[in-house]
Amino acid sequence: ELKVEQNPLFLSMQEGKNYTIYCNYSTTSDRLYWYRQDPGKSLESLFVLLSNGAVKQEGRLMASLDTKARLSTLHITAAVHDLSATYFCAVDESGGSNYKLTFGKGTLLTVNP
Amino acid sequence: NAGVTQTPKFRVLKTGQSMTLLCAQDMNHEYMYWYRQDPGMGLRLIHYSVGEGTTAKGEVPDGYNVSRLKKQNFLLGLESAAPSQTSVYFCASSYSVGAYSNQPQHFGDGTRLSIL
Repeated sequence: ELKVEQNPLFLSMQEGKNYTIYCNYSTTSDRLYWYRQDPGKSLESLFVLLSNGAVKQEGRLMASLDTKARLSTLHITAAVHDLSATYFCAVDESGGSNYKLTFGKGTLLTVNP
Repeated sequence: NAGVTQTPKFRVLKTGQSMTLLCAQDMNHEYMYWYRQDPGMGLRLIHYSVGEGTTAKGEVPDGYNVSRLKKQNFLLGLESAAPSQTSVYFCASSYSVGAYSNQPQHFGDGTRLSIL
């Protein structure tokens, strides 16, 4: 059974600081997604990582995928309050028409002034 | 673009009552999904569909039924609601899955369901 572990689960940081959220998984998948969820809202897609070594960047967020280490990271640069949200990684094991996407439990990020 | 639309947005039920949650997407996606989100649990897949007329069980299917009579709609039914089904339910859709997919899932705004 695939396990997807995010850490930390809770992260409180100051504006302007850098930090990294980690997503470890127990399968050999090379497809991983990052989502953002604001309180009481839907999930918004941030990044789609489809191969070993993939790196995607959008604004202050950068995601990477190391399939050999079974690890994805979401790096936050010079955090701002607007980045406060819950971040989920999800690992895709789908094959053929069979679907299997497993989410981590999420990292609640709070950016303080 | 409407994207993925869920109705209703909120509902309170009594134990034993039944109800249907509706999900509609206007992106011509083949794949549709129902998840539940509980505090500290992330999202867990209830059922999914790989196309019109098909359904399949996910991780937590017990107590739920689904139907996909039209490509754009995916219905989630609770036949006899239980307090353990109190949750936030999300519908999602995608164009494809697996090795040929480079697109994420698109999520609806959720349905907040309380079972008393």
